[in-house]
Amino acid sequence: GQQLNQSPQSMFIQEGEDVSMNCTSSSIFNTWLWYKQDPGEGPVLLIALYKAGELTSNGRLTAQFGITRKDSFLNISASIPSDVGIYFCAGSSGNTPLVFGKGTRLSVIA
Amino acid sequence: DAGVIQSPRHEVTEMGQEVTLRCKPISGHNSLFWYRQTMMRGLELLIYFNNNVPIDDSGMPEDRFSAKMPNASFSTLKIQPSEPRDSAVYFCASSRTGGLFYGYTFGSGTRLTVV
Repeated sequence: GQQLNQSPQSMFIQEGEDVSMNCTSSSIFNTWLWYKQDPGEGPVLLIALYKAGELTSNGRLTAQFGITRKDSFLNISASIPSDVGIYFCAGSSGNTPLVFGKGTRLSVIA
Repeated sequence: DAGVIQSPRHEVTEMGQEVTLRCKPISGHNSLFWYRQTMMRGLELLIYFNNNVPIDDSGMPEDRFSAKMPNASFSTLKIQPSEPRDSAVYFCASSRTGGLFYGYTFGSGTRLTVV
């Protein structure tokens, strides 16, 4: 079945630093999504990408849909303590359910 | 909109007992998904429904797990009998098919502990 490789698994950064994480797939996706999960809550959608090469921003977050349609990255600029959580990538190829990465656990040191 | 509503938020039960988790999807969403989250395995899709009909239950780990969706506004996930290895956070999510895909909206989850 389809698999997503998400890296890094975890990150410890200083407040104010930029963060970058990425996902690669063994197959092509039509849609890439990035979610954030806060402790004790369900994942919440951050950014959705629909076209190869698309670059989309949401505040300090920027995500790109890779040209090959098999990868995506998420950048967070000037991290703050509330950025702490688990970030998930997810891919959709149409009628099949979303495939999720294993997540990147972000810790921000003030 | 109240979002996806799950109950209970926490459940502690003894091994062998029946556990029922409940979910109310977002009104107008016609797909519903049950996920299980553990540190080791991440988010696992257990089963999903389209228009109240189960489409794929290949992720249900064993016959001890069953799910129903009697109408568009309610679904249950039942574990009978429960075992300690079932301890995890269970999420329900819903989405709308057709039009631009906005992904799934997740509930806050039910943290299940089987002792």
